[in-house]
Amino acid sequence: DVKVTQSSRYLVKRTGEKVFLECVQDMDHENMFWYRQDPGLGLRLIYFSYDVKMKEKGDIPEGYSVSREKKERFSLILESASTNQTSMYLCASSVTGFTDTQYFGPGTRLTVL
Amino acid sequence: DQQVKQNSPSLSVQEGRISILNCDYTNSMFDYFLWYKKYPAEGPTFLISISSIKDKNEDGRFTVFLNKSAKHLSLHIVPSQPGDSAVYFCAASDRDDKIIFGKGTRLHILP
Repeated sequence: DVKVTQSSRYLVKRTGEKVFLECVQDMDHENMFWYRQDPGLGLRLIYFSYDVKMKEKGDIPEGYSVSREKKERFSLILESASTNQTSMYLCASSVTGFTDTQYFGPGTRLTVL
Repeated sequence: DQQVKQNSPSLSVQEGRISILNCDYTNSMFDYFLWYKKYPAEGPTFLISISSIKDKNEDGRFTVFLNKSAKHLSLHIVPSQPGDSAVYFCAASDRDDKIIFGKGTRLHILP
């Protein structure tokens, strides 16, 4: 079974803090993704990575950065958290590209006060 | 501009009946479509997909229909079961460049 784990289920941070969300997958997948899910907006792609040290912007990259130093780990970084980044963050991985099944982690609910 | 639209935020269906979830898209470059199911407090899980070269794909109780000329797809669940109560996301991809998810439809299966 593919397993995608996220470092925290719930996180509360203050405005201006630097926030790291970690994601690890155990199936040697090439591709990893970060989404945010907001009520009425569905899932929106923030960043994705198709290889170690490679990253591509998704639809809403502003205010975020990512790091992929190892194949199994994909980190989402909020350089200076803001209240509008309060959301559910979902990490996913897949063997190949966008048409391949993505396996999602359980999500991290981030609240920025 | 919403490229993938799920116009029904919620849908209630009697157990045992057919559930039909709809999805419309605007980008003619999309050629692969996926449905994901999401329970509360869990990540989405893949349900079924369809390539634009087909107009139907079936997997057990789940069937996805694609009407390319109308830029419309639908997910049929028959018979509907209590465990089908979840949020369903439609997603469309152009293979190379992007994947876009709809806003989701919350399906309630009534006893």
